Amino acid sequence: DGGITQSPKYLFRKEGQNVTLSCEQNLNHDAMYWYRQDPGQGLRLIYYSQIVNDFQKGDIAEGYSVSREKKESFPLTVTSAQKNPTAFYLCASSTIPGSNQPQHFGDGTRLSIL
Amino acid sequence: QKEVEQNSGPLSVPEGAIASLNCTYSDRGSQSFFWYRQYSGKSPELIMSIYSNGDKEDGRFTAQLNKASQYVSLLIRDSQPSDSATYLCAGPGYNFNKFYFGSGTKLNVKP
Repeated sequence: DGGITQSPKYLFRKEGQNVTLSCEQNLNHDAMYWYRQDPGQGLRLIYYSQIVNDFQKGDIAEGYSVSREKKESFPLTVTSAQKNPTAFYLCASSTIPGSNQPQHFGDGTRLSIL
Repeated sequence: QKEVEQNSGPLSVPEGAIASLNCTYSDRGSQSFFWYRQYSGKSPELIMSIYSNGDKEDGRFTAQLNKASQYVSLLIRDSQPSDSATYLCAGPGYNFNKFYFGSGTKLNVKP
C-alpha cells in the first residue's frame, strides 16, 4: 500500500541532544512538508521541499534542520537549539509542488523532553 | 488577517443532527479547498476536496464553496458520535506556493 511512514511513533530527547525524525513516502510525490502541532493548536509549517536537494524554511524553522537527498525521504532533525521541542510532528507530501492538490499525512511522531 | 479562518468551537450537536462547519479565506484567487478530520492524538485525514463553486456530496458529507463570499463549509448529515473530531479546512493560495490550514473546529456529537 502506498503511504507515508513516520518513525519513531514516540521519541524522547535529553537536554542538549539532537534527534532525527524519519519520514519516508512511496507515493512518488515531489513535495514534502514538516509541521509541528502543539496541544489544542493548529499546524505550523517548519520546512518544505519541492524537489530533491532543495528545501525552504517555513514559519518556525529555527532550531530545526532537514535534508532531501532522495525523493522518498525527508528527515527532520530537532537540534539542541530548539528549546521547547515537545510537540506532535507531522510529515506530509503532495504530488506536483505548489499545485491544486491536497497534502497527505503520515501518522506523526510525538516528541517529549526527558 | 489569517489566510484561512475557522471558529475553534467546540461545536456540539446531538446525534442524528446536521453539523455545519465553516471556513473563510482571504486569498480571492484560491481555487480549491480541502477538509481534513483529525481525531484526538492522530494525524489529519483528508475527507473532502472541492475545486469549483457549489456543492459536492460524498455520503453523509457535503462540501460547499462560495468563491464570491470567500466561504467554504462542510455539512455532516446524520451526525454520529464517531464524527467527534477536529475538522481542518485547508487550501493553496492563488500562486500555489503555499498551502494554508485553518486552526480547526472541534466537533462534539452527543449520543
